Amino acid sequence: QSALTQPASVSGSPGQSITMSCSGTSSDIGAYKYVHWYQQYPGKAPKLIIFDVSKRPSGVSIRFSASKSDNTAFLTISGLQAEDEADYYCSSYTSRSTWLFGGGTRVTVL
Amino acid sequence: EVQLVESGGDLVQPGGSLRLSCAASGFTFTSYWMCWVRQAPGKGLERVSNINPDGSVLYYLESVKGRFTISRDNAKNSLFLQMNSLSAEDTAVYYCARDQGGGAMDVWGQGTTVIVSS
Repeated sequence: QSALTQPASVSGSPGQSITMSCSGTSSDIGAYKYVHWYQQYPGKAPKLIIFDVSKRPSGVSIRFSASKSDNTAFLTISGLQAEDEADYYCSSYTSRSTWLFGGGTRVTVL
Repeated sequence: EVQLVESGGDLVQPGGSLRLSCAASGFTFTSYWMCWVRQAPGKGLERVSNINPDGSVLYYLESVKGRFTISRDNAKNSLFLQMNSLSAEDTAVYYCARDQGGGAMDVWGQGTTVIVSS
């Protein structure tokens, strides 16, 4: 089963908003609310920043928001800050009772 | 403090075996599904295995089925991953994680490194 498709990199200047995509199919993202996003700094464990498509865990900045449309999920970072420079991974449940991750998007703050 | 601490990673020869452990603390271990997630060097995340609270429901990544076995000891708040017939493709950092529901992993350990090489 193929991984979800994410752009390899996205960049933006401080203060800007950026949006990254996570493309799947009608058997994963399009079918379930179980779409999650993780932030990972180099050499560190991932951190859950969005769960169930658009919910933020306690303590996660409101600058992170997410949605989905059809078979694609989106993560937006508003008011981009230097600390947002990291890798971001999407994940979805699938109709085969498996979980898929995307390949990850590297966010660079210019 | 909610915490997960992995151990057991090592350098092992192809075909060898290894057992990873994860010690949980600061939460009611028996209330949660638990997971193992791995990340090969320079690569993305891959969910390897899940186990439900009483250990009766298991999930395995297709490529590890028949080689890896997940288990838990609820009396000791511990999660395990027995890995057999290891190959170079299993080289990765292995993370233990708590599933808060719907597959969302909200607590992660620091990871333990498995290197399969001769």
